[in-house]
Amino acid sequence: AQSVSQHNHHVILSEAASLELGCNYSYGGTVNLFWYVQYPGQHLQLLLKYFSGDPLVKGIKGFEAEFIKSKFSFNLRKPSVQWSDTAEYFCAVKGPGGGADGLTFGKGTHLIIQP
Amino acid sequence: KAGVTQTPRYLIKTRGQQVTLSCSPISGHRSVSWYQQTPGQGLQFLFEYFSETQRNKGNFPGRFSGRQFSNSRSEMNVSTLELGDSALYLCASSGTQGIEAFFGQGTRLTVV
Repeated sequence: AQSVSQHNHHVILSEAASLELGCNYSYGGTVNLFWYVQYPGQHLQLLLKYFSGDPLVKGIKGFEAEFIKSKFSFNLRKPSVQWSDTAEYFCAVKGPGGGADGLTFGKGTHLIIQP
Repeated sequence: KAGVTQTPRYLIKTRGQQVTLSCSPISGHRSVSWYQQTPGQGLQFLFEYFSETQRNKGNFPGRFSGRQFSNSRSEMNVSTLELGDSALYLCASSGTQGIEAFFGQGTRLTVV
């Protein structure tokens, strides 16, 4: 079964700091990769997605992610974070493989940005 | 266009009861998936429906079931509720390709 690992459960940064959240997945075949964000009291929103092509994908609010197939990774980055980026971030994978084929989520990273 | 709508937003049920949650997908979306979110287990896939047929199912007991209607609206049912079923239940809808999922606000179920 597919699994997704997010390296950091809690991250605290100051405004303007650079951000990188790690995500690794287990399945070696063709996958679709996503980062979702959940702001306090709000629903899950799609930040960005990778289906194919350019491994560096850009999303909303200045976020980007790089797909590195050889490392089974899809790390999320932002050059300069803002207080409003405080939220829970989830990496998710959807891939073939039979059986349950919904999105497989990582445990999430709780990001706190200090003003 | 309107997003994914889940009703009710909050529910309190007693152990042993059953519950039905509702989800209206984005207009034109035919795929609806359900997820359970808990602090301990995170987000876990329950099942997916497409054109009234269950297409995929996660690793949950048979007490968890669902269905989809011809207008793509979906319901999820949990029978014989247990305390551990307390969670946020999220519904997501997807378009034609069924890959990108758009989530609703969720239904917060508390079992007492």
